[in-house]
Amino acid sequence: SAVISQKPSRDICQRGTSLTIQCQVDSQVTMMFWYRQQPGQSLTLIATANQGSEATYESGFVIDKFPISRPNLTFSTLTVSNMSPEDSSIYLCSAGLERLPDTQYFGPGTRLTVL
Amino acid sequence: AQKITQTQPGMFVQEKEAVTLDCTYDTSDPSYGLFWYKQPSSGEMIFLIYQGSYDQQNATEGRYSLNFQKARKSANLVISASQLGDSAMYFCAMRVASGGSNYKLTFGKGTLLTVNP
Repeated sequence: SAVISQKPSRDICQRGTSLTIQCQVDSQVTMMFWYRQQPGQSLTLIATANQGSEATYESGFVIDKFPISRPNLTFSTLTVSNMSPEDSSIYLCSAGLERLPDTQYFGPGTRLTVL
Repeated sequence: AQKITQTQPGMFVQEKEAVTLDCTYDTSDPSYGLFWYKQPSSGEMIFLIYQGSYDQQNATEGRYSLNFQKARKSANLVISASQLGDSAMYFCAMRVASGGSNYKLTFGKGTLLTVNP
């Protein structure tokens, strides 16, 4: 298995502010992704984090709201910008590993509450 | 379009019995992968088992096995000898290509499993 760490693990934020979530993988990575899980729902892919270039966003998600960086192979950040209560969710980082191509692992998630 | 369907919102099983969680999928891509994840109340996503579309045999990992029926497009998870710690949400997911060597996972809505003592 791999260790994928995320921080912060949880946060409570005020409406209109921004939060940056960090994701670090301890192994060589093929691909990195960011997911959102709204309360009581399944996981929805926000974007694929591309190393050294702009992320690839899914329908319904835009760069201005969810800017993503991936400066190297094993590290990525997701920013949730200009937050509203509807952004309250768990945000999960995920990665495919070079040494285990038939797996995809997830970080522990960041529980975000927006007041 | 890729789609994963889990028709059982909730399932109950007695401790030490086996349980099957259903998953059907739809894709026109001949190459795909199927995953099962467990999400306990803590929120972490735990990888359980993987089945590739070209794999001839059903995948097994300890007490978990995947009943892969390609013609029916089903990939059911079987948990043998259920334990109280198996109580959690279970998600089925499908990996398909998204351009070049890239891919992405699509998730089902999940099944909440409760193991009774």
